[in-house]
Amino acid sequence: EPEVTQTPSHQVTQMGQEVILRCVPISNHLYFYWYRQILGQKVEFLVSFYNNEISEKSEIFDDQFSVERPDGSNFTLKIRSTKLEDSAMYFCASSRGTTSYEQFFGPGTRLTVL
Amino acid sequence: AQSVAQPEDQVNVAEGNPLTVKCTYSVSGNPYLFWYVQYPNRGLQFLLKYITGDNLVKGSYGFEAEFNKSQTSFHLKKPSALVSDSALYFCAVRDGTGGFKTIFGAGTRLFVKA
Repeated sequence: EPEVTQTPSHQVTQMGQEVILRCVPISNHLYFYWYRQILGQKVEFLVSFYNNEISEKSEIFDDQFSVERPDGSNFTLKIRSTKLEDSAMYFCASSRGTTSYEQFFGPGTRLTVL
Repeated sequence: AQSVAQPEDQVNVAEGNPLTVKCTYSVSGNPYLFWYVQYPNRGLQFLLKYITGDNLVKGSYGFEAEFNKSQTSFHLKKPSALVSDSALYFCAVRDGTGGFKTIFGAGTRLFVKA
């Protein structure tokens, strides 16, 4: 069964450094998402991406964040200058369609900012 | 604004007994409702969804959920709990007017005792 994959599983970085989190969505899916889950808190929507552009973003997704689909398979989230409060689990998800379609989630990348 | 409430942080049930995990929602348009389950160190797995039609929807692993428009609820149920059902359960809602953002509840930890 196809699944969403994410690398790395755990990323440790120093405050102020740039990080890139990588995801490979399910191959026939057209919509891609990033969510984050701060330890012990709820899953929060960051951004959705369709047709090579951002379709919707939350207030969390400020200028420090960017997303890209550099080739036909990868979907990346870049945090330009990490802050302590960026420490969280980041989940990538993909779906075949929008609104009524369920999303398939990857296993997550745990980002620790020191 | 969209919101989801899961009023119980934890639900405890004995194996073989029925279980209910509660969820209420608020959206401006028609709701698209989802349940996901998260096992330790794993991503979220889709269980079931309500888009339209029959108020009782059936999903994976014997779970079902009942949509109640007047009470704005979408409670998750299972007739007979298994120890392996112990996990973190998230209710989620999307506005049926076409938005991409999915709003998650805070999660309810289900503990099934043998």
